[in-house]
Amino acid sequence: QQKVQQSPESLSVPEGGMASLNCTSSDRNFQYFWWYRQHSGEGPKALMSIFSDGDKKEGRFTAHLNKASLHVSLHIRDSQPSDSALYFCAASEHDSGYNKLTFGKGTVLLVSP
Amino acid sequence: EAGVTQSPRYAVLQEGQAVSFWCDPISGHDTLYWYQQPRDQGPQLLVYFRDEAVIDNSQLPSDRFSAVRPKGTNSTLKIQSAKQGDTATYLCASRYWGGRRAETLYFGSGTRLTVL
Repeated sequence: QQKVQQSPESLSVPEGGMASLNCTSSDRNFQYFWWYRQHSGEGPKALMSIFSDGDKKEGRFTAHLNKASLHVSLHIRDSQPSDSALYFCAASEHDSGYNKLTFGKGTVLLVSP
Repeated sequence: EAGVTQSPRYAVLQEGQAVSFWCDPISGHDTLYWYQQPRDQGPQLLVYFRDEAVIDNSQLPSDRFSAVRPKGTNSTLKIQSAKQGDTATYLCASRYWGGRRAETLYFGSGTRLTVL
């Protein structure tokens, strides 16, 4: 069973629009979440982490975490064509050295000019 | 600052052949990970090290896969007898073990392996 599930599988938004990506964990041990972005031919790059309930904003990106439901979302405001990529949600049990990330299958985002 | 460096960039081989992947982590990062990313899927952890010690290799197919990090810096992942099912991108990542909160993983660009 996939412990980190993402939706939708793919998403298309117009340039300047809002993109919303979702992630849910089925493992209550997962308490720490990251969003990673992967452009074609590159390795994943961390966008942001979120460890506490509520919102966390970094520039055009806002993450929201609900620990009770283990649901985390990522919202991209004013989407740009360069945001077109594969987005992964990743989760971990630990906030210490024993941190190994479990990734979801990803959401493909396409931003059209 | 240099990122995580991996080589080769691509590898194509026949079933039964051996292949090695090499990784140079970010300077100062004592923790190193190897992930396997099949096409259209998320990365899946194979093994990770702190310095030269293996912390977790429970997901490494031990009969054909091996990984070493002898001096706690560079690392090599080897597949002894490749199968078509091993076709994937192999990603190396590194981070600093310590710190008050969980540290972000930094990934290399990966080695894309095709087994014919």
